[in-house]
Formats: sequence, structure tokens, C-alpha cells
Amino acid sequence: NAGVMQNPRHLVRRRGQEARLRCSPMKGHSHVYWYRQLPEEGLKFMVYLQKENIIDESGMPKERFSAEFPKEGPSILRIQQVVRGDSAAYFCASSPILAGDETQYFGPGTRLLVL
Amino acid sequence: SQQGEEDPQALSIQEGENATMNCSYKTSINNLQWYRQNSGRGLVHLILIRSNEREKHSGRLRVTLDTSKKSSSLLITASRAADTASYFCATADRYNFNKFYFGSGTKLNVKP
Repeated sequence: NAGVMQNPRHLVRRRGQEARLRCSPMKGHSHVYWYRQLPEEGLKFMVYLQKENIIDESGMPKERFSAEFPKEGPSILRIQQVVRGDSAAYFCASSPILAGDETQYFGPGTRLLVL
Repeated sequence: SQQGEEDPQALSIQEGENATMNCSYKTSINNLQWYRQNSGRGLVHLILIRSNEREKHSGRLRVTLDTSKKSSSLLITASRAADTASYFCATADRYNFNKFYFGSGTKLNVKP
């Protein structure tokens, strides 16, 4: 069973461009979470999605950031018109549909650098 | 904020010694989990302890949870150089347990 997959692993963008980060959850997992990690800090929750639904986006900046988890395909975190402050590691996690098992399994992350 | 906070921020020990890290949090939780992150890598799940549990073991790891003090500790016994990493505690809100709050981590350096 492959783990959580994220791509790209590294992404360089110039200010004003768009960044698209992809996450494929573990097989059988229908819950996806996105977190952001600034250097020397812990992870900060951004958004929690189930298939075709955003459940909790309380950690997402109000502008420029959006997330989706379509019926088919990976979850996408999209950052429009990137700024230098968006430079960070973005981690995706997934969890199984089974009630009671609340462990989140993390992917290797996408490191975004905005020039 | 419910964010967990780890203590100490950094810890340096010799191989073979035990390492103890602490985590404090602020509100009611459903469970608490410990993760390890090697430099520049993703997070690896170590252990989950539920709010009704007081102690849990997994190999060389021992986790305790004191809900009255809102604190947890992670003990790594007989440390190895390969244990060098950052360790994070993550708390799951009691009413919204899919949302994790992470502390800023303890950086552990195990010297060979």
C-alpha cells in the first residue's frame, strides 16, 4: 500500500505566478488535510476535505488560496498570485474512513520557493 | 489557541542515553499523537494516545498523558544517532478530532 503521494516535491515560482500542489491519499482513505510549515515551526492546519466537499477551511487564507478534492484524481491546493511569504513546506495528510482511527498519515511535502 | 507546545525546544544527548520531551496543550482533546520529522522530510507517525489512556509503549518509546495537567511526555530509551530528528506533538480537538494542532517541536540531536 503506497503512502501519501505529493508532487511536485519542490516548486519554484516567481511572484505573481500560480502554484498547484497535488496530493494523492493512501488507498482507501477518503479524508485529506493540508498543512503549511514555515522554517523552524510546527505545522499549521489549513483545510480538511472529503471527496467533493470542503469540510473545514478555517486555516486557509481568505484570498488566493483554494483547495479541492474531486471525485476522481488527487487533491489540489492552489495558490494564485504567489508572494514571497507563501514560501513554505506544504504537507498533505490522509486518514481512513474507519471511525475511531484518527491517525493522519503524512506525505513527504512540497517545498514551495517564491522568488 | 489549542496549540501544543513542546519543551525543550532543543535537546542534545549522547547515544545510549534516554531522551524526554514534553508537550503541553490548552483545551480538551480527543487524542494526542507524536510525530517525528527528519530534516527536510515529511512526518512519520510514532504513537497515538487517547484521552482515556495514561500511558502507552511502542518499542523504545513511552508516552504518558496527564489530562488534568494538559500535558504529555515522550520518552525515547537507549537513544541512537538515527533518532536525531524533530519531534512534534499534535492534539486533536475533542469535538473536531480531524483537526490537528501542532507545536513547534523539539529538535533532538543524538551524538554518536
